[in-house]
Amino acid sequence: GESVGLHLPTLSVQEGDNSIINCAYSNSASDYFIWYKQESGKGPQFIIDIRSNMDKRQGQRVTVLLNKTVKHLSLQIAATQPGDSAVYFCAEIRNSGNTPLVFGKGTRLSVIA
Amino acid sequence: GAGVSQTPSNKVTEKGKYVELRCDPISGHTALYWYRQSLGQGPEFLIYFQGTGAADDSGLPNDRFFAVRPEGSVSTLKIQRTERGDSAVYLCASSNQGAGYTEAFFGQGTRLTVV
Repeated sequence: GESVGLHLPTLSVQEGDNSIINCAYSNSASDYFIWYKQESGKGPQFIIDIRSNMDKRQGQRVTVLLNKTVKHLSLQIAATQPGDSAVYFCAEIRNSGNTPLVFGKGTRLSVIA
Repeated sequence: GAGVSQTPSNKVTEKGKYVELRCDPISGHTALYWYRQSLGQGPEFLIYFQGTGAADDSGLPNDRFFAVRPEGSVSTLKIQRTERGDSAVYLCASSNQGAGYTEAFFGQGTRLTVV
């Protein structure tokens, strides 16, 4: 679920298992979505993106799924590794590039070795 | 440098003081963005430059905040009469095109603490 302030949603997974991180967006006009990874003390790092005319996109160990009907985005990480531990944010662009990225609240992923 | 550089990495200032935060984007990137990130939150948009001009400053919270990019490269975020609520990490990002449509590369941020 969603939380505010210091209480980020947290997902704990065993090393080697698959992780699924979810994100709900609110603006049906958003047409481009990006997942970012943020490690402690660092800026967000691009992971994978998807346009609204797609429902799935795969990268190396990561897959993004987009369900426009329910305005839901997910990030799947295969064979999760300790280095995947971080906060993950989804971001959306509204109005086809005329506005900047809008970030969600984030989910903290903890990988248990 | 290879990435986006922000200085200083940490800044502690007294309430009411003026601060400047600097961002050196990736060479050749025309778009530059400033975001503010409070603890446990996602980055919040402040302002976006395309070249030298501010294409969208709708995220600046009030007139105490101002940003410039006079030569289309380095940008400075300026905060007047700082308040404790301004304490946050200020992130800068740059990209080749406008409005984040292509990959935006983020710096490590400046952690501002107003005491």
